[in-house]
Amino acid sequence: DAGVIQSPRHEVTEMGQEVTLRCKPISGHNSLFWYRQTMMRGLELLIYFNNNVPIDDSGMPEDRFSAKMPNASFSTLKIQPSEPRDSAVYFCASSLAHGQPQHFGDGTRLSIL
Amino acid sequence: SQQGEEDPQALSIQEGENATMNCSYKTSINNLQWYRQNSGRGLVHLILIRSNEREKHSGRLRVTLDTSKKSSSLLITASRAADTASYFCATDEGAAGNKLTFGGGTRVLVKP
Repeated sequence: DAGVIQSPRHEVTEMGQEVTLRCKPISGHNSLFWYRQTMMRGLELLIYFNNNVPIDDSGMPEDRFSAKMPNASFSTLKIQPSEPRDSAVYFCASSLAHGQPQHFGDGTRLSIL
Repeated sequence: SQQGEEDPQALSIQEGENATMNCSYKTSINNLQWYRQNSGRGLVHLILIRSNEREKHSGRLRVTLDTSKKSSSLLITASRAADTASYFCATDEGAAGNKLTFGGGTRVLVKP
């Protein structure tokens, strides 16, 4: 039973480059979430989608961040241009429905040099 | 901002002992959830307790919820080395009921 799949697992890139993180939610799950985890700020919700529609993007730090969900089985989080302060672990999670537990991927560890 | 605040921030115990951690929150909630995170991995859901429930059990886990005090506790009984992880509470508070706000977590070390 495949869980949430994220790619890449690790990304190291230079400041100013575009970064694209990918997520495949669990099949049949209607909600998808993007989080960022750092030592300083803990786990922060960036954006979430219901049925492929963005519902709340109030956690997106600034215009450099964008997220899309073109279909029920794929989502991307893009940072352009990237900055060193974007270094963090980014998690994608999905849930079956309203109010149900969330299933997390193993994250993408992003380092911006 | 963080809704749930865990206490203590870190906990070190011997295998076989019980581990208790607490979570406090600020606003009304639909439910409260506990998650575990092993080093380098994603969070794993442990247990969900609804606002109208007071206690819930799952295996060696026991969760309580006191909505009057806006607090919850997670008890792990007869701990094992494999229980070493960070534990997070998360509150589901919005009208949409789909957005979770996570606390800062409790790091638990179980020594063999």
